Amino acid sequence: RKEVEQDPGPFNVPEGATVAFNCTYSNSASQSFFWYRQDCRKEPKLLMSVYSSGNEDGRFTAQLNRASQYISLLIRDSKLSDSATYLCVGYGQNFVFGPGTRLSVLP
Amino acid sequence: DTGVSQNPRHKITKRGQNVTFRCDPISEHNRLYWYRQTLGQGPEFLTYFQNEAQLEKSRLLSDRFSAERPKGSFSTLEIQRTEQGDSAMYLCASSFPPRTGRTYNEQFFGPGTRLTVL
Repeated sequence: RKEVEQDPGPFNVPEGATVAFNCTYSNSASQSFFWYRQDCRKEPKLLMSVYSSGNEDGRFTAQLNRASQYISLLIRDSKLSDSATYLCVGYGQNFVFGPGTRLSVLP
Repeated sequence: DTGVSQNPRHKITKRGQNVTFRCDPISEHNRLYWYRQTLGQGPEFLTYFQNEAQLEKSRLLSDRFSAERPKGSFSTLEIQRTEQGDSAMYLCASSFPPRTGRTYNEQFFGPGTRLTVL
C-alpha cells in the first residue's frame, strides 16, 4: 500500500462546478500536509498547506482529519485555468507525494 | 530568472551509458532535493542535502545513483550503467532553512530533466 493515496481520477467537470479531492495517508508519523498543483509537463507548485483547523484560500478549501488520516481539497466555482493534476503531499522525515488526481474543467 | 534551473532539460541515452544532471538551486536556499517522477505518478523522493551534507537517501536510490553538492550550491545527480527503467523526469527542488519550530520549508521545483533510456 502506498503511503499517500488519492482518488484515481480523472475528474471532468463543467466550469463553475464544485469539485472535491480526497487523499489518505498511512504514516501516522506524518506531521504536515500540502496540496501541490502540477500543470501538464511542468513542475509541481505549492497550492496550499493543510491545517487541522481547515484553511481557505479564495475558492480553495483544505481540510485535515488526523484521526481518520484523511485530507481533502475543495475547489468552488471551478475555472478552465484550474485544469491540472493535484498532488497530495505528506511530510514526516521527507516529503511523500501521492500519485495525483487530474482535473479537467470543461467550457 | 532566479528560480531553480536544471540542465539538460532532455537527455536521450543508450542503455549502459552514464548520465549526469545538474541542478542550480535558488541562491541562499540551503536545502536541495532530488526526486524522480514517472508518468501518472507523483514525484518520488530520492535524496536531499543541507548545504553540502547529504542527509538522507531513499532506498529507491540504488548504488548506480550518486548525488553530490560539493560546495553547497549546485548539485549533480549521476546515474551509472543506465537501464530502461531509469527513464523518468528527474526533478530538483530547493528551500530555505526551516523556520523556528518547523523541520521543513516550502520547496520550489525546477523544470526537471527528462531522461529517456533506449
